[in-house]
Amino acid sequence: DTGVSQDPRHKITKRGQNVTFRCDPISEHNRLYWYRQTLGQGPEFLTYFQNEAQLEKSRLLSDRFSAERPKGSFSTLEIQRTEQGDSAMYLCASSGSGSGRGEQYFGPGTRLTVT
Amino acid sequence: GQSLEQPSEVTAVEGAIVQINCTYQTSGFYGLSWYQQHDGGAPTFLSYNALDGLEETGRFSSFLSRSDSYGYLLLQELQMKDSASYFCAVRASGGSYIPTFGRGTSLIVHP
Repeated sequence: DTGVSQDPRHKITKRGQNVTFRCDPISEHNRLYWYRQTLGQGPEFLTYFQNEAQLEKSRLLSDRFSAERPKGSFSTLEIQRTEQGDSAMYLCASSGSGSGRGEQYFGPGTRLTVT
Repeated sequence: GQSLEQPSEVTAVEGAIVQINCTYQTSGFYGLSWYQQHDGGAPTFLSYNALDGLEETGRFSSFLSRSDSYGYLLLQELQMKDSASYFCAVRASGGSYIPTFGRGTSLIVHP
């Protein structure tokens, strides 16, 4: 168990560019979540996968955001035409179906800065 | 929707006991979790309460009162390394595994 990993750890981009982040969950976990966190706030839910199916998406999620989990393993989050308001920490988490407590294991995050 | 309230900051001295409260409003309730996050780090799961009462895990305990829509995290024998942000998170239904997080409480432990 190597934990949840995310790549890159930091990304600086100019407004209007597209960015893509990758998350590798704990291998036996079938549930994967993406969150966004800004300073002084808790993680804000973006989207959720069970295996390869995207089952929930935040109503606050702009059409510029899209996520995939093509083979039920790693996931990618893409932001198109980035805006300065997209600057945040993007966190990925995973959990297993056996945990009735729903505990989630978070990755270290990708810090996005849009200039 | 769901909303959670917790104090923005709590300070305490090493060796003391501190309680971080969380009140929530939610259309449904399935459980309350607590996470710890150090500056620059990832949130780490601490505890989960689905039923009323106290759950103890080492120096940390978590309490839930469903009738009061209230819970707390109790940290005993505080250590400097406990300085971090603590988030409560509510799970609104058994069918959804999506927790809604509070804004977090910054705990500062002084020597």
